Amino acid sequence: EADIYQTPRYLVIGTGKKITLECSQTMGHDKMYWYQQDPGMELHLIHYSYGVNSTEKGDLSSESTVSRIRTEHFPLTLESARPSHTSQYLCASSAGTSVLYNEQFFGPGTRLTVL
Amino acid sequence: EDKVVQSPLSLVVHEGDTVTLNCSYEVTNFRSLLWYKQEKKAPTFLFMLTSSGIEKKSGRLSSILDKKELFSILNITATQTGDSAVYLCAVEAYNTDKLIFGTGTRLQVFP
Repeated sequence: EADIYQTPRYLVIGTGKKITLECSQTMGHDKMYWYQQDPGMELHLIHYSYGVNSTEKGDLSSESTVSRIRTEHFPLTLESARPSHTSQYLCASSAGTSVLYNEQFFGPGTRLTVL
Repeated sequence: EDKVVQSPLSLVVHEGDTVTLNCSYEVTNFRSLLWYKQEKKAPTFLFMLTSSGIEKKSGRLSSILDKKELFSILNITATQTGDSAVYLCAVEAYNTDKLIFGTGTRLQVFP
């Protein structure tokens, strides 16, 4: 069982609020990722990190920001939430670049609704 | 541009049927192909394939990769209602740790 956690699981907030979605993993993985997935749609990578103090933007443009101060923690922040940010946000981690260890483990997801 | 295409997009079958899900890809410097099962929330890992022609098997599920024709199939035999899910195919290239996901195949198994 993969040990990767996301909080909150569900969040309903009003427009303009600042929010932080938490993601933490206890597997010591260097690589972490944030995906955005609308209902019935494909996963889109919005941020990733190769390790502490490393963050990169993904393939889908996002107004969110991330930080990686500790290996186990990869929070995602929206400074001013808008209804267009309503989506499911999935966090994932992987061990490294070896062929044997490139499986990504996913957290349970945070379903965000912005009114 | 790298891309992963899955077919069919949606599939409805009865319990006991066998299904084959397809995944084709165009990725520079291919390293591995992964299959995930996504039910209500997060995807769960099924298989990782790196070599052509070697079948991976787990219970009623099996998968194989063809690196010459650039595709993989996921077979599910004797389907059960618990197999109902979206099955995602993802491809990883060398020199990157990003996965390129297909849109998924939505499988519904009815009793």
